Amino acid sequence: GDSVTQMEGPVTLSEEAFLTINCTYTATGYPSLFWYVQYPGEGLQLLLKATKADDKGSNKGFEATYRKETTSFHLEKGSVQVSDSAVYFCARRGTGGFKTIFGAGTRLFVKA
Amino acid sequence: AAGVIQSPRHLIKEKRETATLKCYPIPRHDTVYWYQQGPGQDPQFLISFYEKMQSDKGSIPDRFSAQQFSDYHSELNMSSLELGDSALYFCAATRLGSGELFFGEGSRLTVL
Repeated sequence: GDSVTQMEGPVTLSEEAFLTINCTYTATGYPSLFWYVQYPGEGLQLLLKATKADDKGSNKGFEATYRKETTSFHLEKGSVQVSDSAVYFCARRGTGGFKTIFGAGTRLFVKA
Repeated sequence: AAGVIQSPRHLIKEKRETATLKCYPIPRHDTVYWYQQGPGQDPQFLISFYEKMQSDKGSIPDRFSAQQFSDYHSELNMSSLELGDSALYFCAATRLGSGELFFGEGSRLTVL
């Protein structure tokens, strides 16, 4: 079935470090791919998305590229800030389009 | 801009009681999803509605039911509550085909 696998956390980085959070998805069709972020005590909010192969989504300094050949959608940021501390969820549209399937989430801690 | 509104934000119930959660989507967003997020867990898809009809069903227990009304708001009814039902329940809304989910801030249910 449809699934998303992302790297386990927590990930702890110092401010201004480079961030990569790996995400791979099951290759059922060509689903839209998303990264959502959940700040403490809040709901999930969309960070970025890509709808077709080789698309690059970007927002707030974060980027992710839709790689069909490796079925991956890794999240990157060149210089993290303390305010980026949150849980990051990779997600894909389910086959049939009526649900979004989430990975297990990766908690990021950024130290000053 | 108006967002997805959920109520109540916090709810405390005893075992075997019932609870009802409400979700008011963004105007013109005709598809509503319910997710359950346990402590430290990823959001698990429960059920979705499109144009007041159930469109997909996930891991929703038989003790739970949901519906979408003519004004597109949705209610999740939970009966015979168990300790394991304690979680954050998110409602999300989208326009069919969009793929991007807009989440409410969640309703936190605690079952004692």
